Amino acid sequence: SQTIHQWPATLVQPVGSPLSLECTVEGTSNPNLYWYRQAAGRGLQLLFYSVGIGQISSEVPQNLSASRPQDRQFILSSKKLLLSDSGFYLCAWSVSWTGTGELFFGEGSRLTVL
Amino acid sequence: AQSVTQLDSHVSVSEGTPVLLRCNYSSSYSPSLFWYVQHPNKGLQLLLKYTSAATLVKGINGFEAEFKKSETSFHLTKPSAHMSDAAEYFCVVSDGTNAGKSTFGDGTTLTVKP
Repeated sequence: SQTIHQWPATLVQPVGSPLSLECTVEGTSNPNLYWYRQAAGRGLQLLFYSVGIGQISSEVPQNLSASRPQDRQFILSSKKLLLSDSGFYLCAWSVSWTGTGELFFGEGSRLTVL
Repeated sequence: AQSVTQLDSHVSVSEGTPVLLRCNYSSSYSPSLFWYVQHPNKGLQLLLKYTSAATLVKGINGFEAEFKKSETSFHLTKPSAHMSDAAEYFCVVSDGTNAGKSTFGDGTTLTVKP
């Protein structure tokens, strides 16, 4: 069966420090991968999605970047965090091409920038 | 183009009474529709999905939803609320446009009173 792992679960970082959140998927090949952010009391905002290795699409201009160095690995990064980067970050995957669009989510990473 | 509107940001019910969470959608094509549930500080879990099969869809934990094309609605119901149903609920549409990305509603917070 397919599983998705996301870490770290919780992170407290000072303003201006770097960020790296990692997500890996097991049990499937060539998934579509997504990073979402959820601000407190808000809905989900799509940040990045990827349909293949090295292929990243950004949805909103921001202080963050994403990379997909391997088929089932998706990394969210920042060189210098801002206070506004605080939030709950969710990685998700879906079946590419023939899928219905169903998303499978990780457990999330809570980022607090101080 | 696709869009989704969750008509209630907050719903409060008493334990043992019915639950109704309302969702309207807009889609240029035949959409897939989903309901996800999110408990605090957790990832999203799929409750149920409609993918052009039966219009009445049964999901986990006693939830069900009916796809009504004429009303462009996909309301989520449950006959009897349980305390453990208290959570955030998201209605999602995916119609193969928008580069295969899903569109999320803003969410409905369900409160269950004892």
